[in-house]
Amino acid sequence: DIQMTQSPSSLSASVGDRVTITCQASQDISNYLNWYQQKSGKAPKLLIYDASNLETGVPSRFSGSGSGTDFTFTISSLQPEDIATYYCQQYDNLLYTFGQGTKVEIK
Amino acid sequence: EVQLVESGGGLVQPGGSLRLSCAASGLTVSINYMSWVRQAPGKGLEWVSVIYSGESTYYADSVKGRFTISRDNSKNTLYLQMNSLRAEDTAVYYCARVRSATNFDYWGQGTLVTVSS
Repeated sequence: DIQMTQSPSSLSASVGDRVTITCQASQDISNYLNWYQQKSGKAPKLLIYDASNLETGVPSRFSGSGSGTDFTFTISSLQPEDIATYYCQQYDNLLYTFGQGTKVEIK
Repeated sequence: EVQLVESGGGLVQPGGSLRLSCAASGLTVSINYMSWVRQAPGKGLEWVSVIYSGESTYYADSVKGRFTISRDNSKNTLYLQMNSLRAEDTAVYYCARVRSATNFDYWGQGTLVTVSS
């Protein structure tokens, strides 16, 4: 099975900062990589699909890149409402795996 | 508007059984890939099971042989039958639509399952 290594596990940044989260797959997953935002007590929300496609209605400050085994998620200018935990998720061979999550806080 | 509403969670003893339901509106369960994802208290997300638009079903190793995913097309409802429950199955269980077989675009609000004596 494919393993996903997401880092960092948590980060603290100031409003307006650029925030970057990485996710590494244990083997090539092409572009089958998605990013979710989960706010406290809520269901996850899909932000980025197929590595770099912005889900409809999601602010353009969120972006994703990468292919193969290395992927990056970026918030270009952190906003107070972005406080949440972010997860990557891969699909391969009928199985799905989530990364461990990154908790984003405001400094 | 798509809505997924889970129910059936609760407190169950180790070794017991529980059936979760996910009632869908705004989408047709029978022609969509549907999945269950869980989240233990304070932990990350864990994929549990998927049912494809045929009858193919797949499971995480942690639940294989104990959980069964199914659907009732007449009720437009997804189910998760959970048997031989263990303490480590304690989690909020979410149902989700699987889009393009690869991502989860609609989620329910979740239902809490607690396995404890």
